[in-house]
Amino acid sequence: DADVTQTPRNRITKTGKRIMLECSQTKGHDRMYWYRQDPGLGLRLIYYSFDVKDINKGEISDGYSVSRQAQAKFSLSLESAIPNQTALYFCATSDFKSGSKQYFGPGTRLTVL
Amino acid sequence: DQQVKQNSPSLSVQEGRISILNCDYTNSMFDYFLWYKKYPAEGPTFLISISSIKDKNEDGRFTVFLNKSAKHLSLHIVPSQPGDSAVYFCAASAFYGGSQGNLIFGKGTKLSVKP
Repeated sequence: DADVTQTPRNRITKTGKRIMLECSQTKGHDRMYWYRQDPGLGLRLIYYSFDVKDINKGEISDGYSVSRQAQAKFSLSLESAIPNQTALYFCATSDFKSGSKQYFGPGTRLTVL
Repeated sequence: DQQVKQNSPSLSVQEGRISILNCDYTNSMFDYFLWYKKYPAEGPTFLISISSIKDKNEDGRFTVFLNKSAKHLSLHIVPSQPGDSAVYFCAASAFYGGSQGNLIFGKGTKLSVKP
């Protein structure tokens, strides 16, 4: 079984809809991250959480919110999806001992029509 | 302002030859550098890393070189294989507040290794 899982893997939605992307991990890591990847723009950090009570904005948090339901679960919400949020979304985890090394999930391809 | 730059969006190499992927950074506080490899429809996977106290780190066919004065690092793959065809991301972080900070990624270089 994969250490970091993301659901759904693919999602098509319409402008204005609320959507939630979920991430679960079995690595026992305390830190979790959400990134988006756009063609030619690399990976950009949306939000990150160092433990259940710690949530921080990343580089591009506008239009997104997150919830850390447990150490192993970190969800990303788009309250009112817009077409320029069409992208690949990745969840990642790390821990204090691994330092900067992060472990990524398989990604969610989101299309907003 | 891009702190980690991969100026070559793509690179094509013949199988068996050397692949050299380059990365430049602007933040002198960065002290840890990583390379990730990404296949289509998969998440990025860690490939190799280097601390700023070293100038070279080798793992099998993969070697990362760090030139701190030039703020430049490169990933060498020798010999290149078709299975190495992927997007490679360079990433960097700085140590502060008692722990290593978040990763800053470059835009990636798509490597194509032709048989």
